[in-house]
Amino acid sequence: DTGVSQNPRHKITKRGQNVTFRCDPISEHNRLYWYRQTLGQGPEFLTYFQNEAQLEKSRLLSDRFSAERPKGSFSTLEIQRTEQGDSAMYLCASSLRGGVDEQFFGPGTRLTVL
Amino acid sequence: AQTVTQSQPEMSVQEAETVTLSCTYDTSESNYYLFWYKQPPSRQMILVIRQEAYKQQNATENRFSVNFQKAAKSFSLKISDSQLGDTAMYFCAFIGNMNRDDKIIFGKGTRLHILP
Repeated sequence: DTGVSQNPRHKITKRGQNVTFRCDPISEHNRLYWYRQTLGQGPEFLTYFQNEAQLEKSRLLSDRFSAERPKGSFSTLEIQRTEQGDSAMYLCASSLRGGVDEQFFGPGTRLTVL
Repeated sequence: AQTVTQSQPEMSVQEAETVTLSCTYDTSESNYYLFWYKQPPSRQMILVIRQEAYKQQNATENRFSVNFQKAAKSFSLKISDSQLGDTAMYFCAFIGNMNRDDKIIFGKGTRLHILP
């Protein structure tokens, strides 16, 4: 296991379509985080999981967004009825126990909504 | 609200020179951690250095060091003997409320170019 992986790396979709991204954290990492990064900005927190439990959701995460982490391993982030404003890089990170343990980031999924 | 401010959107320095990236933050927390992350072009973000707020000694990692001024809420990053591979976006970041959550709050970043 060499790090956090994310798929797909790039996604182009038309407005109104649904998209799903996947994140595979480092093995045995209990915490998993999703961030969104728009052009020229730093990453913004979206949500995080402790094993399979979703502990916090940002106000940025509208009702069109849903995240899951079944069985406490990989996670998926789904966006329904995509809008052009959803275009961004979606980053996943994991840490061993949370708190101030180092968060290891994946390469991100770049979403473009036409 | 906790905020992180990076006032230098972009910087360029010659290879082998020393460069300092600025960061200020605002929080009412007494116990928190500060970080500098590096995001190379088209590559994933990695942690460069971290500082615990209750430690007065500035953190150092090889060519990277910080100047942590708690009273001024300032946390700058110094890169010595800069190398071409240091070219990247650098994000100052913060974790507070450690007993309740651990989401990172990032600044907007400084794009650093190391020139040959």
